[in-house]
Amino acid sequence: NAGVTQTPKFQVLKTGQSMTLQCAQDMNHEYMSWYRQDPGMGLRLIHYSVGAGITDQGEVPNGYNVSRSTTEDFPLRLLSAAPSQTSVYFCASSTGSLPYEQYFGPGTRLTVT
Amino acid sequence: AQKVTQAQTEISVVEKEDVTLDCVYETRDTTYYLFWYKQPPSGELVFLIRRNSFDEQNEISGRYSWNFQKSTSSFNFTITASQVVDSAVYFCALSVRARSNFGNEKLTFGTGTRLTIIP
Repeated sequence: NAGVTQTPKFQVLKTGQSMTLQCAQDMNHEYMSWYRQDPGMGLRLIHYSVGAGITDQGEVPNGYNVSRSTTEDFPLRLLSAAPSQTSVYFCASSTGSLPYEQYFGPGTRLTVT
Repeated sequence: AQKVTQAQTEISVVEKEDVTLDCVYETRDTTYYLFWYKQPPSGELVFLIRRNSFDEQNEISGRYSWNFQKSTSSFNFTITASQVVDSAVYFCALSVRARSNFGNEKLTFGTGTRLTIIP
């Protein structure tokens, strides 16, 4: 049982490049989400999904796309990277029911130059 | 909208001292959940505790204790006899229902408190 996995762990992009951050969970959790962590800002919700085929925007969705074709995977796409997207990205999953604990992946550190 | 305030940006205490991390939250929902997470220097997020809005009992787990007071919208975290391994960033978080059939859709985090335990 790997829990929540994220790839890559580190990534450097040039402004304007695109990439996909991968997130997978093997706990059959319905709910998955993406957060970004910036110094002094805590973690902020980017997008979330309450099940396959259902996604919604969080607090800071601009510049990011998501899709949820399977229960296990929830990739985050940056279509045209900008320096403001330099951050640490965390994926999380939960059952969507009690005990409501969210399990976080190890994070991806992204730098956009 | 939900909001979580952790007014203490950084705290330093000498090992074995007790320390309390403050968390104040805002929400109009009557059903909500409060969490504390620990982020050690290695960067992962470690779940510490969850408390629902209907349970105001304080909780103790070893050296950790939590004081939930709805009257002041606070959910404070105390570490007793602190140890160097407690050095980390601690986040308080709040979740409410975003859809009627689901719970815990969105976590709103505070900005975190960096705790340093001095040996």
